[in-house]
Amino acid sequence: NAGVTQTPKFQVLKTGQSMTLQCAQDMNHEYMSWYRQDPGMGLRLIHYSVGAGITDQGEVPNGYNVSRSTTEDFPLRLLSAAPSQTSVYFCASSYSSSTYNEQFFGPGTRLTVL
Amino acid sequence: GQQVMQIPQYQHVQEGEDFTTYCNSSTTLSNIQWYKQRPGGHPVFLIQLVKSGEVKKQKRLTFQFGEAKKNSSLHITATQTTDVGTYFCAGRDGGSQGNLIFGKGTKLSVKP
Repeated sequence: NAGVTQTPKFQVLKTGQSMTLQCAQDMNHEYMSWYRQDPGMGLRLIHYSVGAGITDQGEVPNGYNVSRSTTEDFPLRLLSAAPSQTSVYFCASSYSSSTYNEQFFGPGTRLTVL
Repeated sequence: GQQVMQIPQYQHVQEGEDFTTYCNSSTTLSNIQWYKQRPGGHPVFLIQLVKSGEVKKQKRLTFQFGEAKKNSSLHITATQTTDVGTYFCAGRDGGSQGNLIFGKGTKLSVKP
């Protein structure tokens, strides 16, 4: 199993550009989520999905869209990049959204917006 | 909303010294999870505590869950350079089916 994969690993954007961060998992996990990590801020939830076709907002959803057309994939779209979106983005998955499931994190995408 | 606070933010220790990080929630937690993130890496699950007063050990690491299920701690005995990284706690509100709320983490550096 590859686990949780993310592409690209690094990305530089100009303000106003759009892009999609890819996330895939091969563990047949129901629950997938996106976090952003900023220095001193820990991990903040952007969007999450409890299954194919179902998505919902997390703590910091503004400026991001997600979709979940398949169990495996959960892409994160930046609609119009802003310097405030410079961050490290982690995708994570777990067997279900049950309280007692550990989360498996991808390697992250390091995004810089100029 | 629910908050999970973690202290200290940074801890610098000499190799061989002990280390403790503390996690406190504003609400009762159904469970708490601990993750470790190595420099430049991604968070990796360490352990989960569920029961009030629960204590679990993993070699030199000891995890505790408070009696009121509102606080937790991670203690490392005799730190090694391999312990370097950021340790996060994460909990869910016991009254909801919400998502994990992560603390801001404690960054541990170990001087050889």
